Parts: sequence; structure tokens; C-alpha cells
Amino acid sequence: DIQMTQSPSTLSASVGDRVTITCRASQSISIWLAWCQQKPGKGPKPLIYKASSLESGVPSRFSGRGSGTEFTLTINSLQPDDFATYYCQQYDTYPITFGQGTRLEIK
Amino acid sequence: QVQLQESGPGLVKPSETLSLTCTVSGGPISSYYWNWIRQPPGKGLEWIGYVDYTGSTNYNPSLKSRVTMSLDTSKSQFSLNLISVTAADTAVYYCARRVSSHWPFDYWGQGTLVTVSS
Repeated sequence: DIQMTQSPSTLSASVGDRVTITCRASQSISIWLAWCQQKPGKGPKPLIYKASSLESGVPSRFSGRGSGTEFTLTINSLQPDDFATYYCQQYDTYPITFGQGTRLEIK
Repeated sequence: QVQLQESGPGLVKPSETLSLTCTVSGGPISSYYWNWIRQPPGKGLEWIGYVDYTGSTNYNPSLKSRVTMSLDTSKSQFSLNLISVTAADTAVYYCARRVSSHWPFDYWGQGTLVTVSS
């Protein structure tokens, strides 16, 4: 299985900040990486696919970069609604695997 | 707007079978890949497997010996059966859609908590 490792596990930030979450794959996955956001008691919400493509309706303050084994999710000018847990997911090879999550909390 | 809704028992006894159904509305069930993902309380996400529009399946090797998925196009539903459950199978179970094999999940259900306990 391809292991996905996110860092940091927890991130404290303030409204208006710019934050970056990193996701590393244990082997190359080309650009077959997605990011999703999850809030307590809710199903995940897709944000980004193919490493850098924004899902329809997702604000432009979210952006993704990377290819191969290293990827980043950046959120510019954090809004109160952005405090949640973020997961990366590879869909290059079965089984599909997820990172362990990054909890973004209010400082 | 496509919507997915999980349904099934919230409590299952150890060694018994967990059975869930996902009902798809607002869009066709054909031509897509229909997935199950689970999340133990306080933990991360684990992909269980998918059934596609032809009825073909692909399961996570970690669960393959215990999982069966099927599709009922007449009811716009797909289902999950997990046999011989233990407390480790306690989780929120989500159903989700993928457009194709090299595509991520684009629609998710809200999830349903299944507790394995006697």
C-alpha cells in the first residue's frame, strides 16, 4: 500500500493567516492526489483533485501544488469556516489511501 | 444535485454481519464507481472498496476476505456487507461516488455510525 504522511498533525493559526499543509507519498503517485475538508459530525468535502485543480464552488484562497511524492495545500487569508481537519488522499494505486489528517485550529 | 444517503442498523453484535445500503438521488447510478469508506471514532479514513456500474468490485486487501458489495440499479442503491465483525469494525461508514478509476471522491454521504457490541 502507498503510505500518505501529512504534516503537521495539528496547526494553530488565526483568521487572516496563510497556512500550508504538506502530504508525502511513500512512492510516486504522479498528480493523482486529492484534498478534502472534514468538520465534526460531517462527511468530507472535496476541495482539490489532480493535485492542483479546484473543485467547483471551492474558494480560490485554497490552492494545491506538487507531483510525484510531495504535495502541499495552502489556504490564504484563513476564514472562520476553514477551521477543520484536512486529509490528503492518493488515487493512483489501489487500495486508495489517506493521510492521517491535519487538524487546523484557531490560535 | 447528487445526494447519497447511508442506511442500516446502528448496532451489530460481534461475529455477525454488518449490512449497509447507500441510496443515490439527483443523478444516475450508471457509469460511476460507488465506494464505501469508514472512519473509526477519532481516527482517520479507510477506503473499503467499490462496486462499479458493471457490478465489478475492488476491495481493500485488508478487508477483502470479509467484504461484499453489490449494486441495484433499479433502486439506485448499492450495498456493503461485512461479515464476522468485531469491535475494531466500529466506525462511521460513508458511501461516496467516483467518476472513474483515476478520479477522487466527488460526492459523499453524511455517514452512519455502526457500533459493534453485544
